[in-house]
Amino acid sequence: SQQGEEDPQALSIQEGENATMNCSYKTSINNLQWYRQNSGRGLVHLILIRSNEREKHSGRLRVTLDTSKKSSSLLITASRAADTASYFCATMDSSYKLIFGSGTRLLVRP
Amino acid sequence: GAVVSQHPSWVICKSGTSVKIECRSLDFQATTMFWYRQFPKQSLMLMATSNEGSKATYEQGVEKDKFLINHASLTLSTLTVTSAHPEDSSFYICSAPSGSLYNEQFFGPGTRLTVL
Repeated sequence: SQQGEEDPQALSIQEGENATMNCSYKTSINNLQWYRQNSGRGLVHLILIRSNEREKHSGRLRVTLDTSKKSSSLLITASRAADTASYFCATMDSSYKLIFGSGTRLLVRP
Repeated sequence: GAVVSQHPSWVICKSGTSVKIECRSLDFQATTMFWYRQFPKQSLMLMATSNEGSKATYEQGVEKDKFLINHASLTLSTLTVTSAHPEDSSFYICSAPSGSLYNEQFFGPGTRLTVL
């Protein structure tokens, strides 16, 4: 099963611009995580935000979580061509299962 | 960080054959592992939870007789795609949770299965 939708499905920006991706989910969660996947490769864990947190930063990444709206956003600031990848949110429930969103394909043009 | 490996990284097989994919936690023990399937340009879909020493738990819609899971040890889970057909062609990824709170999951690099 899939947890929810990510928005937008695809995003094309110029290097140096910021990229914002949104994620919605349906059920109660322990935490929400963001992952990155380069084409045809495995997943790289980016950041985890717990259900009792509202905002978290890691380098050029900023994640927000609104549990009342069951939504999260990932902001990548000062994007680079190397940021080109697919980004997925994933929610973890009490059984430690990760349920992934539909993903956003980000293209950063040099 | 913890490392999870998968073998093989890719496999091509004829329709009707069975294919086994291994998932290993290299530097930690994993009583639980998860198997995902990903079709091109789509998201990861959780297939099943692999439990060491007991039966796997399958997600709704996943045929347990089609996708056999064996968690034989604390570092190894295997997924066998039985009587594979072209529609089983996909990217299969495993993960294992680690860390004191079990929040962090470590993903294998994936196995690309192509069934001719």
